Amino acid sequence: AQSVSQHNHHVILSEAASLELGCNYSYGGTVNLFWYVQYPGQHLQLLLKYFSGDPLVKGIKGFEAEFIKSKFSFNLRKPSVQWSDTAEYFCAVSRSGNTGFQKLVFGTGTRLLVSP
Amino acid sequence: NAGVTQTPKFQVLKTGQSMTLQCAQDMNHNSMYWYRQDPGMGLRLIYYSASEGTTDKGEVPNGYNVSRLNKREFSLRLESAAPSQTSVYFCASRTNSNTGELFFGEGSRLTVL
Repeated sequence: AQSVSQHNHHVILSEAASLELGCNYSYGGTVNLFWYVQYPGQHLQLLLKYFSGDPLVKGIKGFEAEFIKSKFSFNLRKPSVQWSDTAEYFCAVSRSGNTGFQKLVFGTGTRLLVSP
Repeated sequence: NAGVTQTPKFQVLKTGQSMTLQCAQDMNHNSMYWYRQDPGMGLRLIYYSASEGTTDKGEVPNGYNVSRLNKREFSLRLESAAPSQTSVYFCASRTNSNTGELFFGEGSRLTVL
């Protein structure tokens, strides 16, 4: 079964610092990759997704992620964080291809706290 | 567009009581999901329904049952609640496309005493 690892459970940054959150998955086949964000008290929202093409994906609010197939990774980055980026971030993976329905598996999340 | 609607938003139960969490989506999505979210454990899939008329177990199905009532509605039932089921429950839906994003409801916070 596929699994998703997010090694940073808690990250604390000052405003304007750069952010990189790690995500690794264990499935060896073709995958679709997602980053979701959950702001305090809210439900999860999609930040960005990758399923084919350019491995550098740009999402909303200045976030981007790079798919590195050889490393089974899909790290999330932002050059300069803001206080409003304080949230919990989830990486998720599903298998792709014409193999029928595939469920989405989530990592355990990374809590980001940005201090003003 | 309401998206994904869950009820109730908050519920307190005593051990052994039963309850049903309701979920409805108005986006004509084929697949629907129930997740639970616990501190340090992220989101874990309880049950999912790939299409109307089908349901399948996820990672943590024990103690739960589901019903895909029609294309719009997917309910989660706790027959005999236990303190270990204290959690925040999220319903989600998406198209059948594996590249499609999940759309989440606002969550239901359940406390079992």
